[in-house]
Amino acid sequence: DGGITQSPKYLFRKEGQNVTLSCEQNLNHDAMYWYRQDPGQGLRLIYYSQIVNDFQKGDIAEGYSVSREKKESFPLTVTSAQKNPTAFYLCASSIPGGPITGELFFGEGSRLTVL
Amino acid sequence: SQKIEQNSEALNIQEGKTATLTCNYTNYSPAYLQWYRQDPGRGPVFLLLIRENEKEKRKERLKVTFDTTLKQSLFHITASQPADSATYLCALDIYNNNDMRFGAGTRLTVKP
Repeated sequence: DGGITQSPKYLFRKEGQNVTLSCEQNLNHDAMYWYRQDPGQGLRLIYYSQIVNDFQKGDIAEGYSVSREKKESFPLTVTSAQKNPTAFYLCASSIPGGPITGELFFGEGSRLTVL
Repeated sequence: SQKIEQNSEALNIQEGKTATLTCNYTNYSPAYLQWYRQDPGRGPVFLLLIRENEKEKRKERLKVTFDTTLKQSLFHITASQPADSATYLCALDIYNNNDMRFGAGTRLTVKP
């Protein structure tokens, strides 16, 4: 079945460690996104990529890094520079300008807890 | 500053009633607006899109309106059911660049 797969679903990290969250899609979508969700807050955009080998910062990119070497994959690294990394991370993809004009397809999320 | 506001953090209604959720925005001129449903611990799921030249869009028991003068969208669920209990998020492409921004969401609880 087509979809977006995020892993791991739960992750614990010690302070000062980098951690990488995986996001893979087999929908053949060009655009991919990373959002962060905190309790009582909406989704906040971290990074997005409209095409392979290109990505842009969202509203809260500090302390995060991404790569887009393949169309199917958009991993997110949470670095030790991110001061408050405990959150629920959501990856999404879309066809820019597609039939539903930008409908986002989301993965099931990765919950990161810093100990 | 640019904002997307959803009217309330939580809304409780009785089964069978109509739920009405509000999404207000400032300083944007989005070409379209989307609504998503999110269940606890899951990713959001797309429900409806409405374009700036559309006043109203319906899908089964769902209805969305879009008033670009008021900068407001209303999301209605008619004949609500306990299974409709979830958080509902509105989203806008604020820069018309296919990078969606979201409101904080309204948590709807439908009581039997």
